[in-house]
Amino acid sequence: DAGITQSPRHKVTETGTPVTLRCHQTENHRYMYWYRQDPGHGLRLIHYSYGVKDTDKGEVSDGYSVSRSKTEDFLLTLESATSSQTSVYFCATGAGNTGELFFGEGSRLTVL
Amino acid sequence: QKEVEQNSGPLSVPEGAIASLNCTYSDRGSQSFFWYRQYSGKSPELIMFIYSNGDKEDGRFTAQLNKASQYVSLLIRDSQPSDSATYLCAVNLYSNYQLIWGAGTKLIIKP
Repeated sequence: DAGITQSPRHKVTETGTPVTLRCHQTENHRYMYWYRQDPGHGLRLIHYSYGVKDTDKGEVSDGYSVSRSKTEDFLLTLESATSSQTSVYFCATGAGNTGELFFGEGSRLTVL
Repeated sequence: QKEVEQNSGPLSVPEGAIASLNCTYSDRGSQSFFWYRQYSGKSPELIMFIYSNGDKEDGRFTAQLNKASQYVSLLIRDSQPSDSATYLCAVNLYSNYQLIWGAGTKLIIKP
């Protein structure tokens, strides 16, 4: 268990409101990722980080921003939530640049 | 467009039989291959990875990789009801941090 916690675990919000999801890890892993998971699409990468203040876009980054000010925390922000961002969001970490990832419990976001 | 394809299932297998899950990928630059298991409502967890052509065994699980044919498979021997889950295939290119994921195959083991 990589000690990855996400908060909040569940959130219902309205279109146009800002939302921030937090991922906290206790394993000192260098790499952190935010994915969304939707039926029929599998996991899709939103943003990732390869170090403090080092972040980059994934394949579905539009409408999302991230920040990583400390090794242990990776924040995902939806500046103005839309219904298409209703999804389950997973944070993942990795010690190295491989596919061996450890996942948080997930955050279910509903945008009405 | 780099793609990873899996049959969505559900794949129904009797308890004690061998479950065979398949995954194909489009990019010949793919270097490493992963199988994750995801129980309903839970997060994915890594069960196997394979880098070289051939078979890799870990307990009841065997991963098989054929780079020439661009497919990777996962065999589960002596299937148990607790193996019922969605199995996600993921492929990593050598040059970046991004995994490409399949949509997963739902496996049901019937007692």
